[in-house]
Amino acid sequence: RKEVEQDPGPFNVPEGATVAFNCTYSNSASQSFFWYRQDCRKEPKLLMSVYSSGNEDGRFTAQLNRASQYISLLIRDSKLSDSATYLCVCTSYGKLTFGQGTILTVHP
Amino acid sequence: NAGVTQTPKFQVLKTGQSMTLQCAQDMNHEYMSWYRQDPGMGLRLIHYSVGAGITDQGEVPNGYNVSRSTTEDFPLRLLSAAPSQTSVYFCASSPIGGDQPQHFGDGTRLSIL
Repeated sequence: RKEVEQDPGPFNVPEGATVAFNCTYSNSASQSFFWYRQDCRKEPKLLMSVYSSGNEDGRFTAQLNRASQYISLLIRDSKLSDSATYLCVCTSYGKLTFGQGTILTVHP
Repeated sequence: NAGVTQTPKFQVLKTGQSMTLQCAQDMNHEYMSWYRQDPGMGLRLIHYSVGAGITDQGEVPNGYNVSRSTTEDFPLRLLSAAPSQTSVYFCASSPIGGDQPQHFGDGTRLSIL
């Protein structure tokens, strides 16, 4: 079993839709959690950190459930520019572990 | 502000050749790391360093060496290139450690024939 698992998708949604991505992690010692965004053939870029209390940044909401070892990302009012691969990341004792990524395509 | 700079951006090698991928950062970050990204596999940690003179292995270290003689530079050496090392390589850095958001370089696309 992979340490961090994501549904690879692809998710194809129309503009304006709400879409949710899920991520599960197996290492209960994981300490920090992030969502990164990666555009085609580019480097990953931090989208947002994920906090236990949940956090929101504009149209993006991240949730963490430590008991279920589950992380989610919700995107509201999807834009064409949201098309990318979304990477779930967990850290443990200074090492990052990436999920394989979820591909999102937003169409007109 | 250059951030994390990787060179070269593209490279083609023959099996058995050696080469060094360069990574430099100008943000005075203590933590630096190397990842490889393969289709369907996500990013996998090769080696990392928590400061000058200190390196450690990640998930997939075999076939790669690193050194950290300065805070700024963290080169990755392929000792004897193999086709299985064909991949996209990313270098990343952060101020303190792996628990912090990472700044990534543009990547090096490496093909081994």
